[in-house]
Amino acid sequence: DAGITQSPRYKITETGRQVTLMCHQTWSHSYMFWYRQDLGHGLRLIYYSAAADITDKGEVPDGYVVSRSKTENFPLTLESATRSQTSVYFCASRDTGSGEWNEQFFGPGTRLTVL
Amino acid sequence: DAKTTQPPSMDCAEGRAANLPCNHSTISGNEYVYWYRQIHSQGPQYIIHGLKNNETNEMASLIITEDRKSSTLILPHATLRDTAVYYCIVNNAGNMLTFGGGTRLMVKP
Repeated sequence: DAGITQSPRYKITETGRQVTLMCHQTWSHSYMFWYRQDLGHGLRLIYYSAAADITDKGEVPDGYVVSRSKTENFPLTLESATRSQTSVYFCASRDTGSGEWNEQFFGPGTRLTVL
Repeated sequence: DAKTTQPPSMDCAEGRAANLPCNHSTISGNEYVYWYRQIHSQGPQYIIHGLKNNETNEMASLIITEDRKSSTLILPHATLRDTAVYYCIVNNAGNMLTFGGGTRLMVKP
């Protein structure tokens, strides 16, 4: 399917476990992003990537690791999950394009619960 | 990036225009105004953006004041499907879109 997909859509894990959230886009967009959204709040940027093998920290990167070996995939790993990382995680992508065109396309989200 | 101020919630009657205000008094000359919305449990969706001039697309209109310190997103004929949280974001075309609390728009029959 064309677009941006995330897996799993729902995940329950325990404190201290490693969890990887997957994000895949079919548009060959250069940029990809990971956000988290806590209940009742706006989105906060965790990490982003400008191209394969190029990643950079966002507003709240602590406790997360990203990689981007292929343009279409941008996995997010919680190396040792904590309860404070319980959240909804959104992946997004955008093309390079004109600088003003900051239209990001968002995936459906992954709801993560850390017990 | 400049900060924005939006009312936390608004109601609108179905079929009427929904006017969502946003204050961005510290916006700088090279910053754009972007609007996104988030329908319950879904990822945010881009609506429209502008720099100085008013903009219109198939979804909405964006009115930016001459001093650029505030803007209004207009949904000309709101439907129940427009019920969502609307985010006003100012950004200099960089990568850090900062989502604040937004305005929760409730369209009522």
